[in-house]
Amino acid sequence: AQRVTQPEKLLSVFKGAPVELKCNYSYSGSPELFWYVQYSRQRLQLLLRHISRESIKGFTADLNKGETSFHLKKPFAQEEDSAMYYCALSTYSSASKIIFGSGTRLSIRP
Amino acid sequence: EAGVAQSPRYKIIEKRQSVAFWCNPISGHATLYWYQQILGQGPKLLIQFQNNGVVDDSQLPKDRFSAERLKGVDSTLKIQPAKLEDSAVYLCASSSPPGLAFYEQYFGPGTRLTVT
Repeated sequence: AQRVTQPEKLLSVFKGAPVELKCNYSYSGSPELFWYVQYSRQRLQLLLRHISRESIKGFTADLNKGETSFHLKKPFAQEEDSAMYYCALSTYSSASKIIFGSGTRLSIRP
Repeated sequence: EAGVAQSPRYKIIEKRQSVAFWCNPISGHATLYWYQQILGQGPKLLIQFQNNGVVDDSQLPKDRFSAERLKGVDSTLKIQPAKLEDSAVYLCASSSPPGLAFYEQYFGPGTRLTVT
């Protein structure tokens, strides 16, 4: 069965420091991975997806199939990055279905 | 474009009562999802519709939960009777028409249910 694990419930870093939000997945095939974000009082929304190889708001994520990880990184944190981040997984056999991790709350200290 | 609409935003009921939630997806989105998000957890899929047909309801507690999307547009999710453990945020999402891989899902604001 597919599973997404985010080991950190809370991550607190200073403004300007690097950020890395960890995500590990369990799936025997080739997954597609996403990061969704929920800012305070806003809706859950897509931040980035692996298939697009994009950088959004300075965030990047690299799929490491050997380590089954898809960590989210940003070199210099900004206060507006404070939010709840969810790693999510989809599969080629069920492309419309997403399985979410439990989320990590990122808090940026001034 | 208008986003996914949900109502009510908040609901407080006593256990054993019934409750219904409503969702209107983004116009043209054929796929509609209902999720349950318990505090401290990620969203868990309850049911997925493709137009007015059910694609996946494997995690829907069918003894008390029901959902319908009769005309392939808006949808209702009902709980009857409610239990304390049903306290959660219920999220509705919709996604692009079929034919696109790895659909991006667009979420509504959610309904926060408290069962006392």
